Amino acid sequence: GQQLNQSPQSMFIQEGEDVSMNCTSSSIFNTWLWYKQDPGEGPVLLIALYKAGELTSNGRLTAQFGITRKDSFLNISASIPSDVGIYFCAGRNRDDKIIFGKGTRLHILP
Amino acid sequence: GAGVSQTPSNKVTEKGKYVELRCDPISGHTALYWYRQSLGQGPEFLIYFQGTGAADDSGLPNDRFFAVRPEGSVSTLKIQRTERGDSAVYLCASSLQGDGEQYFGPGTRLTVT
Repeated sequence: GQQLNQSPQSMFIQEGEDVSMNCTSSSIFNTWLWYKQDPGEGPVLLIALYKAGELTSNGRLTAQFGITRKDSFLNISASIPSDVGIYFCAGRNRDDKIIFGKGTRLHILP
Repeated sequence: GAGVSQTPSNKVTEKGKYVELRCDPISGHTALYWYRQSLGQGPEFLIYFQGTGAADDSGLPNDRFFAVRPEGSVSTLKIQRTERGDSAVYLCASSLQGDGEQYFGPGTRLTVT
């Protein structure tokens, strides 16, 4: 089946640093999605990307839908403590099914 | 307004027992999804309802798993003869329509001992 490769698996950064994570797939997706999950909660949608090449921002977050439709990245600028959590990329395929990556765990060092 | 709610938040059961997990979607959302999230993994699709009918149940791992949504609102995920490998967080999501943004509930953490 379709799989997403998300990297890095985890990140340890200092508060105020910028963060970059990405996601690749062997198959094409029509929509790329980025979610954040806090402990004990369900994932919350951060950014949705609908067109190849699209670059979208949401506050300090920026994400891009790769030209090949097989990859996407998420950048977080000037990280703050509440950015801690697990970030998932996800792709919506032509059956409207959402496939999730394994997540990037973001840790912020004091 | 109220988001997606799931009950119970935690469920511990013995191997071989039957369990039911409940999902209350956002009012007016016609689409409802069940996912399973194992430790260290992303959510994995189980089943999708459009209204009362299961539009796609291709993610159910075997016939011990079954879900219903009899009135097109609340849904129940039922697991028979539970196995230790069924231990996971079961997430429910709803959306206004089939291709819309999915809003997730907090999940039910199932532990099979």
